[in-house]
Parts: sequence; C-alpha cells; structure tokens
Amino acid sequence: GAVVSQHPSRVICKSGTSVKIECRSLDFQATTMFWYRQFPKQSLMLMATSNEGSKATYEQGVEKDKFLINHASLTLSTLTVTSAHPEDSSFYICSAREGQKTYEQYFGPGTRLTVT
Amino acid sequence: QQQVKQSPQSLIVQKGGIPIINCAYENTAFDYFPWYQQFPGKGPALLIAIRPDVSEKKEGRFTISFNKSAKQFSLHIMDSQPGDSATYFCAASMRTGANNLFFGTGTRLTVIP
Repeated sequence: GAVVSQHPSRVICKSGTSVKIECRSLDFQATTMFWYRQFPKQSLMLMATSNEGSKATYEQGVEKDKFLINHASLTLSTLTVTSAHPEDSSFYICSAREGQKTYEQYFGPGTRLTVT
Repeated sequence: QQQVKQSPQSLIVQKGGIPIINCAYENTAFDYFPWYQQFPGKGPALLIAIRPDVSEKKEGRFTISFNKSAKQFSLHIMDSQPGDSATYFCAASMRTGANNLFFGTGTRLTVIP
C-alpha cells in the first residue's frame, strides 16, 4: 500500500513554455501533499505544502506565480512550472500524507525536468 | 539553517560491513525521526522510523539508535550488501504545526563487493 505516482517521469521543454507535473496517491486519500525540488547530489528542498481544497503554502523564496500548485482532489495534486527557464531544470518529487496528524510521507518516483 | 545535521557525506564499506550514519538535531519539539533510502533517479523510500520514547528500533538489517539527551540518532546497516549502495537521508518532524519533514544533507553509501 501507500503508493504515490508521478507523471511524467521525464520531460524536456523549451524555455518560456509551461510544464505540468501530476502527483497521484493510488491507494489512499492524501489530505496533504508536498512538492520538493532536488538538485544533483543534494538534499530535498521543500517547495510547498498543499491541503486538498485549499491554497498551497509556499516556502520562503519559492515564487508562487512561477510554481502553480493545485490540489483539487484527495488523490491528485499538480505542479505547473510556468514560463520555464534553464535554471528550473531539476528533479521534482512529490509526497503525500494520509491524515493531518499522521507522520508518514510517501514519496513519488520523481520527475526530471530539463529546460532547453 | 540546517535543522538536521547528517554525517558523513559519503561512506564506502566492504560487503558484510556495518556502515553507520549519524544525525543530530536541535529542536526538542521533533518527535518523529525517519530514514529514507534513495536510488539515483528515484524518489526516497521510507526505510525505518523511530519516536523518541524508544532508544532503538530494528527492522531486518536496519537499526536506528536514538539518544534523546544528546539529540542524536543513527542508522546502522547490518551485513551490508552491494544492493544497499544508495543515498540515505535522515529526517525529523513534529506533529504540531505544519508537520513538515526536515531532511539531513544525505550520505552516499557505496558497498564494495
């Protein structure tokens, strides 16, 4: 159980275009989903937290107009990178948590974004 | 400010050895300490986690030792195998507030056959 999927696994886009990444909890209802960014050989950096039906809470330094997060249902959250630039190239990972008071976060397999 | 400090940055052991990865924290409000294993190009996978009311937890070949007074915890991998070669992250969270995970900087483990 506790499987989280992400789609696509890899995406290449041109500078200035927008890219949408989906994160789904397959066998549980995710009241909270998290989006992380990871640079090569570095740790995970939390970008934002989203609760179903609410606006996302962004970490300091993360542009909310650039990284649009939507958590429209208990099993789906999307991250849209708008007007992507080469510096947005990174590994984006989502995670999901089943309840507000539970600890465990289950991570997706990640999406490798390359902006040319 | 790094909420969770992790060492070493990298570690090489022979097959069968026992690599030990250490983490330290300052915030005494943390009450959940998981370890994650990440292979290249994949998301982290939860390995084992501990709460501060116990000093040790074992699951298979993985053991967490927890020292509440020193605010330190460590991961031991018994009888390490080449398939254990991965990056390991410790983390900490607290049930109050946003309940976010604070990650360590990661340890790249290589197990030599």
